[in-house]
Amino acid sequence: ETAVFQTPNYHVTQVGNEVSFNCKQTLGHDTMYWYKQDSKKLLKIMFSYNNKQLIVNETVPRRFSPQSSDKAHLNLRIKSVEPEDSAVYLCASSPTGARAYEQYFGPGTRLTVL
Amino acid sequence: GQQVQQSPASLVLQEGENAELQCNFSTSLNSMQWFYQRPGGSLVSLFYNPSGTKHSGRLTSTTVIKERRSSLHISSSQTTDSGTYLCASYGSSGNKLIFGIGTLLSVKP
Repeated sequence: ETAVFQTPNYHVTQVGNEVSFNCKQTLGHDTMYWYKQDSKKLLKIMFSYNNKQLIVNETVPRRFSPQSSDKAHLNLRIKSVEPEDSAVYLCASSPTGARAYEQYFGPGTRLTVL
Repeated sequence: GQQVQQSPASLVLQEGENAELQCNFSTSLNSMQWFYQRPGGSLVSLFYNPSGTKHSGRLTSTTVIKERRSSLHISSSQTTDSGTYLCASYGSSGNKLIFGIGTLLSVKP
């Protein structure tokens, strides 16, 4: 049963456009994450938020910006997309503290930049 | 740097055969976790296994922290086991998962 929801499932856009992806979790978790999975299937964390506060911000281009309205939502905006941004973007959530390893993932948003 | 290495990169089995997937991680990482990803699907956690051996149905995970390795054993494989198996470990700061590249498993009928 899906508890981490992502929209859209797919998005195709042109270089230079702005895109925004949404993520919502209904698990009551305090922590949410954005991961990027490239064409080689390597998953890398991009951002982590705990109760609307940024706690992890990996070295990602400045055109990427996470947005959190409350602890159940963590959106990802990309200003002026580049071809290398083509990937699957996965959202996840987890409890905090000792149970932080219990990460639940959404189905992902596949971005194709032409 | 912090690294997680998986082997083999891909594996093809006949239904009913067993599979052994390996994961090695650098000294700065800890608390190994195994995930399963169906083609086009999201990740599902199989095991959180910081040390020792854990069982779940036909799956067994063994982590030996001193040797910086973890394994996932699948017994009597089924076609529905096909997909990508990813191992991940927490970084030294403890707040982010470092993933391996995955093992692509294909089980033929």
